Amino acid sequence: SYELTQPPSVSVSPGQTARITCSGDALPKKYAYWYQQKSGQAPVLVIYEDSKRPSGIPERFSGSSSGTMATLTISGAQVEDEADYYCYSTDSSGNLWVFGGGTKLTVL
Amino acid sequence: EVQLVQSGAEVKKPGESLKISCKGSGYSFTSYWIGWVRQMPGKGLEWMGIIYPGDSDTRYSPSFQGQVTISADKSISTAYLQWSSLKASDTAMYYCARASPSGWYWVYWGQGTLVTVSS
Repeated sequence: SYELTQPPSVSVSPGQTARITCSGDALPKKYAYWYQQKSGQAPVLVIYEDSKRPSGIPERFSGSSSGTMATLTISGAQVEDEADYYCYSTDSSGNLWVFGGGTKLTVL
Repeated sequence: EVQLVQSGAEVKKPGESLKISCKGSGYSFTSYWIGWVRQMPGKGLEWMGIIYPGDSDTRYSPSFQGQVTISADKSISTAYLQWSSLKASDTAMYYCARASPSGWYWVYWGQGTLVTVSS
């Protein structure tokens, strides 16, 4: 099996920078992806291939990866960014894909 | 516009069978992997498995192998997730999602199908 580990919760005030981490043994060689899920909604891709932002995602969302840790950064977090965030990646074989346990971001 | 439209909510009893669907439109259905993701009440996302409708190549997460069956009917651009004998622990929201051309990550999502299993 393969696991991605995230902190259960992160809390920031509006306008502050939120950082959510994701650790996994295969991350040095495999991309990380990040999903935002607001209550009652389907997930939305906010970062792909470690640091690329899909069209329509605000510039305040950025991603990075170093060694066994990937990081989602929300610069100047807004109240509307409150959501659960999941990292997603694959093991070294590329055949088993997993989500991290999720991080609840509170902005207040 | 790419759309994935899932079948409606289901309420079933333990031991019953079920097949839920996910109809793709706005793209070439046979050219992209489609996957299924489970979300149990109040819990996180779980990757269940994936199918390539072009040739029905199917892969399962070890956690779901033997527990569910993923299939697709390319003639009607529809993917399926089915159970032969439901358990109460299958109660969850199930999402289908379409992969990117460059990897098994999900760009487009269905609206979700809520499955409730209760006696």
